[in-house]
Amino acid sequence: QQQVKQSPQSLIVQKGGISIINCAYENTAFDYFPWYQQFPGKGPALLIAIRPDVSEKKEGRFTISFNKSAKQFSLHIMDSQPGDSATYFCAATRTDSNTGKLIFGQGTTLQVKP
Amino acid sequence: EAGVTQSPTHLIKTRGQQATLRCSPISGHTSVYWYQQALGLGLQFLLWYDEGEERNRGNFPPRFSGRQFPNYSSELNVNALELEDSALYLCASSLFYGSNQPQHFGDGTRLSIL
Repeated sequence: QQQVKQSPQSLIVQKGGISIINCAYENTAFDYFPWYQQFPGKGPALLIAIRPDVSEKKEGRFTISFNKSAKQFSLHIMDSQPGDSATYFCAATRTDSNTGKLIFGQGTTLQVKP
Repeated sequence: EAGVTQSPTHLIKTRGQQATLRCSPISGHTSVYWYQQALGLGLQFLLWYDEGEERNRGNFPPRFSGRQFPNYSSELNVNALELEDSALYLCASSLFYGSNQPQHFGDGTRLSIL
């Protein structure tokens, strides 16, 4: 119930292509879903976040799609660049519980080939 | 604006010793969170402090403890170190109390247990 399952574990995309990372959750009480980007030797950086009242959110080349009925959400990176090569984590939490706890997926290592 | 800062960057200890890790939140942030990022286990929630009080803790033994100071900085203490404690320890901060506040991470302290 508390898990967030992320796939794929690793992804190789050509420069200019679309990178797609998927996450699924069980707990329907989750209502805040952030995505983080982590470069080697650095901490995770907040990329973009979504709430279940919207089906899509776009910020630059990054788009989150949210399917509430399927309990799934995904990150799309358009026009992928070598600089996007990093590990991406999805996360989820329920904001009404005030636990402070983000539950993370296992991460996806993205490599964008020039 | 300075981000979340953590010290030291690396820490090497032996089994049975005690480790102290430090975190300074983003200016104006009152909530501090600690996560463990162990190889193959993703990011696991450890502790949450707000206004000097422990608000929540994850599924970790009591030898993991911490505190938050009046200036909102925080330290994480790990007693009786075990080999399995080797991990990257990440600190995050958010604007104020509440699970719906974005958490911003530092670059972590790499703890190695010999």
